Amino acid sequence: NAGVTQTPKFRVLKTGQSMTLLCAQDMNHEYMYWYRQDPGMGLRLIHYSVGEGTTAKGEVPDGYNVSRLKKQNFLLGLESAAPSQTSVYFCASTHGPGRDTGELFFGEGSRLTVL
Amino acid sequence: AQSVAQPEDQVNVAEGNPLTVKCTYSVSGNPYLFWYVQYPNRGLQFLLKYITGDNLVKGSYGFEAEFNKSQTSFHLKKPSALVSDSALYFCAVRVGDTGRRALTFGSGTRLQVQP
Repeated sequence: NAGVTQTPKFRVLKTGQSMTLLCAQDMNHEYMYWYRQDPGMGLRLIHYSVGEGTTAKGEVPDGYNVSRLKKQNFLLGLESAAPSQTSVYFCASTHGPGRDTGELFFGEGSRLTVL
Repeated sequence: AQSVAQPEDQVNVAEGNPLTVKCTYSVSGNPYLFWYVQYPNRGLQFLLKYITGDNLVKGSYGFEAEFNKSQTSFHLKKPSALVSDSALYFCAVRVGDTGRRALTFGSGTRLQVQP
């Protein structure tokens, strides 16, 4: 049981380039999230999804887009990368309505560097 | 709005001594509280949670935490620290009855256990 899998694990981009981070979960979770982690700032919510075909903005959505075309996948896109987007990105998921255990399940992270 | 404060960037403790990592929170509504641990270059691992019931909750690896509603605190404790407990610890909160179930994280506390 893989849980939450993120690809790629590492990526270096030049300013202005685009890329997509993929998150896949095999736990049949309804809710999925993208966070970024920066030193001294904890984790901040970028975007989230409460079900297939739905997405919503979190606290720091600017410069990012997301899609949830399949229940098990949640994609995070950077259309024009900026050095301020250098960070470690974490995907997480949790159960849907009718089963709220509270905790989120996290992937191992994707480290992105923008030069 | 909800927020979490972890007032200590780092906590140092000798192996075998008790440890405490502090967390205070602010929410409008019933809080769901969590502790996660992060080892170097890894994702976040769930340690324990408080949702309802007994104010003292026990979790993985011998850790426990006490929910104190009057002080809005949820401090993490362990009676006897191990060198292997050295890691980054995050406290997180969400309001119980919320649609998106996203967690708000503190800035993290680095625990260093010396042999």
